[in-house]
Amino acid sequence: EAGVAQSPRYKIIEKRQSVAFWCNPISGHATLYWYQQILGQGPKLLIQFQNNGVVDDSQLPKDRFSAERLKGVDSTLKIQPAKLEDSAVYLCASSLHTTNEKLFFGSGTQLSVL
Amino acid sequence: AQTVTQSQPEMSVQEAETVTLSCTYDTSESDYYLFWYKQPPSRQMILVIRQEAYKQQNATENRFSVNFQKAAKSFSLKISDSQLGDAAMYFCAYLSNAGKSTFGDGTTLTVKP
Repeated sequence: EAGVAQSPRYKIIEKRQSVAFWCNPISGHATLYWYQQILGQGPKLLIQFQNNGVVDDSQLPKDRFSAERLKGVDSTLKIQPAKLEDSAVYLCASSLHTTNEKLFFGSGTQLSVL
Repeated sequence: AQTVTQSQPEMSVQEAETVTLSCTYDTSESDYYLFWYKQPPSRQMILVIRQEAYKQQNATENRFSVNFQKAAKSFSLKISDSQLGDAAMYFCAYLSNAGKSTFGDGTTLTVKP
């Protein structure tokens, strides 16, 4: 089966610019996650969708980050405006349901904010 | 809130030897799930092994096994017969019954030929 697709793989922007990341989960997976992984740290959950509804966005910096999941399939994560501390790898993951499920991860987008 | 602690930032092992990676967690829940994920330089996280908290029996997947001590809130990963391809970053993860995930900060494993 096809895995979780993410694009772009790399992105370099200057601070105060905006950027968007795209994720296509595995077909049929109801749950989609966006994680931020800062160098040397573990992934931190930003937002979790169940179909096209938000389950958990408690750690999403809502003043600059936004995410949507259109029609319960693809998802985009946007940062506007970006700050230096947003430099990280942004990982998308999906799972068939929610609880006790194995997560399938994409290869991530590495963002550098200069 | 749940926390996951991996106290070993780096570990190394000789090829064909055995290594154990440590993980402790803090939770007030009784039902949850624990995972070990491997992240190679390609950045794509791959599930290594999974443990349900209600199961007393330790999970095993080929050369990978865990030592799950629920009372001590400890979940260590043992890799037997280490191979060069095992070199990667390993993350311990906690998944609550409500589906909320928390990851540790990882252990970098080096395998020496």
